[in-house]
Amino acid sequence: KAGVTQTPRYLIKTRGQQVTLSCSPISGHRSVSWYQQTPGQGLQFLFEYFSETQRNKGNFPGRFSGRQFSNSRSEMNVSTLELGDSALYLCASSLESTFYNEQFFGPGTRLTVL
Amino acid sequence: GNSVTQMEGPVTLSEEAFLTINCTYTATGYPSLFWYVQYPGEGLQLLLKATKADDKGSNKGFEATYRKETTSFHLEKGSVQVSDSAVYFCALNMYSGGGADGLTFGKGTHLIIQP
Repeated sequence: KAGVTQTPRYLIKTRGQQVTLSCSPISGHRSVSWYQQTPGQGLQFLFEYFSETQRNKGNFPGRFSGRQFSNSRSEMNVSTLELGDSALYLCASSLESTFYNEQFFGPGTRLTVL
Repeated sequence: GNSVTQMEGPVTLSEEAFLTINCTYTATGYPSLFWYVQYPGEGLQLLLKATKADDKGSNKGFEATYRKETTSFHLEKGSVQVSDSAVYFCALNMYSGGGADGLTFGKGTHLIIQP
């Protein structure tokens, strides 16, 4: 069974631009969560989607948004990029409940903002 | 809010040494607790978990016991190998409306095992 895939793996943008990252969960998984990993702040939860609805949200500004499609694939968007948005963005999928089911992580998308 | 505190390292040990990585947490309620591992160049992998007090999670020779009285979930291994070199993250989550409110991670402990 294929794991969680994320595209692109690397991305370079400039301040003020916007970016869209994509995540394909493991087949059959309906929950997709997004995390930001930086050297300073560590791993931080962005949001979780389940059945095309945002079910939980972390403490990030509105510039960070996401969506989930009917096939459970998810995208996250960051608008008006800032230097501090440079990070590894990780996607994780789970069967149903992120509380009762294991979350499987993808390899991440490395975003660099210049 | 919820938080996880763990030693950041790097922690350097010789092969076959005993390993302990301390993890303590603060949470309003009764979280599930996890240890994740990130090998060089790879994504995060779940190492073990415990969902209630006094539960012991174990995998690949690693163990951790959920201690509610001390709000701790220390990771231990009796004899480490070079292949255990990685970054280890302690994490928790809380039940929230059918899912969970997202994993809260510690800063990660970089473990280096020397032959």
